[in-house]
Amino acid sequence: NAGVTQTPKFRILKIGQSMTLQCTQDMNHNYMYWYRQDPGMGLKLIYYSVGAGITDKGEVPNGYNVSRSTTEDFPLRLELAAPSQTSVYFCASRASSGNTIYFGEGSWLTVV
Amino acid sequence: EDQVTQSPEALRLQEGESSSLNCSYTVSGLRGLFWYRQDPGKGPEFLFTLYSAGEEKEKERLKATLTKKESFLHITAPKPEDSATYLCAVQAGVKAGTALIFGKGTTLSVSS
Repeated sequence: NAGVTQTPKFRILKIGQSMTLQCTQDMNHNYMYWYRQDPGMGLKLIYYSVGAGITDKGEVPNGYNVSRSTTEDFPLRLELAAPSQTSVYFCASRASSGNTIYFGEGSWLTVV
Repeated sequence: EDQVTQSPEALRLQEGESSSLNCSYTVSGLRGLFWYRQDPGKGPEFLFTLYSAGEEKEKERLKATLTKKESFLHITAPKPEDSATYLCAVQAGVKAGTALIFGKGTTLSVSS
């Protein structure tokens, strides 16, 4: 039972570099989310998707982009990485028929 | 503005010393209030969902309750393995794909 899988687990980026955080789920969930978690700040919503081909901004979308070409995958793209994007990133998903949101194990990103 | 406030930020207990964590919220159109447990270096793990005032749910030493303005997570006779950060979140209306709005969490430490 894989659930929500995120890669990579850890990554160090230099300022100005770009990268993609991968997220895939095997539960056939339509809803998917990207959150970031900073120390003492709680989880903040970056982007979300209600189904393949549909994405929208959350609370803190600046500096990020997403795509949703399949139900399973919801990658998060960081363009021109900045130190302010140093954080822990969590991908999550839920079924259309349910309320419970399930989280992946997280991706630790450091921008130096 | 939808908001979730958790208190205390940190709580230290002796094994067997019962206590409660508080989550107060202001939200328009509450669809559900969620409790998650998060261990260091891991993603949030779902514990409970509460939907209406007066509802209670239990799991082992944990009991969650809900009023119109707040929720409590009661921990009875805690053990060291209950040490973790407990996150409270609300799901509001149909905004943002019914994403969760999180509090900052309460970090619980239980010593033997």
